[in-house]
Amino acid sequence: QKEVEQNSGPLSVPEGAIASLNCTYSDRGSQSFFWYRQYSGKSPELIMFIYSNGDKEDGRFTAQLNKASQYVSLLIRDSQPSDSATYLCARSSSSNTGKLIFGQGTTLQVKP
Amino acid sequence: EAGVAQSPRYKIIEKRQSVAFWCNPISGHATLYWYQQILGQGPKLLIQFQNNGVVDDSQLPKDRFSAERLKGVDSTLKIQPAKLEDSAVYLCASSSKASYTGELFFGEGSRLTVL
Repeated sequence: QKEVEQNSGPLSVPEGAIASLNCTYSDRGSQSFFWYRQYSGKSPELIMFIYSNGDKEDGRFTAQLNKASQYVSLLIRDSQPSDSATYLCARSSSSNTGKLIFGQGTTLQVKP
Repeated sequence: EAGVAQSPRYKIIEKRQSVAFWCNPISGHATLYWYQQILGQGPKLLIQFQNNGVVDDSQLPKDRFSAERLKGVDSTLKIQPAKLEDSAVYLCASSSKASYTGELFFGEGSRLTVL
């Protein structure tokens, strides 16, 4: 079982639509969860982090966390072609909070 | 503020040869990471340093990979001898212990091709 599991995609949505990216994890001791965006050939950059159950909104992005179901999601509203990238879900290790464990990433394509 | 610096950006070697990558983290960041990202996969932690001490190297193939962080600042990752499956991007990242978000700041990466 992978520690952090994501559908590799690609997920294709039209411009202006809502993109929904999902992630499940196996370690119930994980405290913190992160969404990183990685453009092709570039390094990952943080776009959202969430610690508590529920929703956290930042502009067009909403992260959702459900620790009971071990599920994290990222919603992107009003998707733009510039959002086309790979989105990496990561969790902090329960034994070493400075260590991030990444999923394989979901490729998002936003079509004009 | 300068970001995480890595070099070289690209390296092509033949199997069984050796290679070294260098990383300079963001000034003041105590924690430095080396991640390996194989094409189509997420980054995998190889080694984590806190200042000049190793915190986690559980996934570092120690028969061929080595890393050091002398003086708690810049770091070098070495592979000797390289195998075909070592072809990947080697990402260096750093973080501040005081960071509320726990955010990692990544360098541009060093892309290794082993022929």
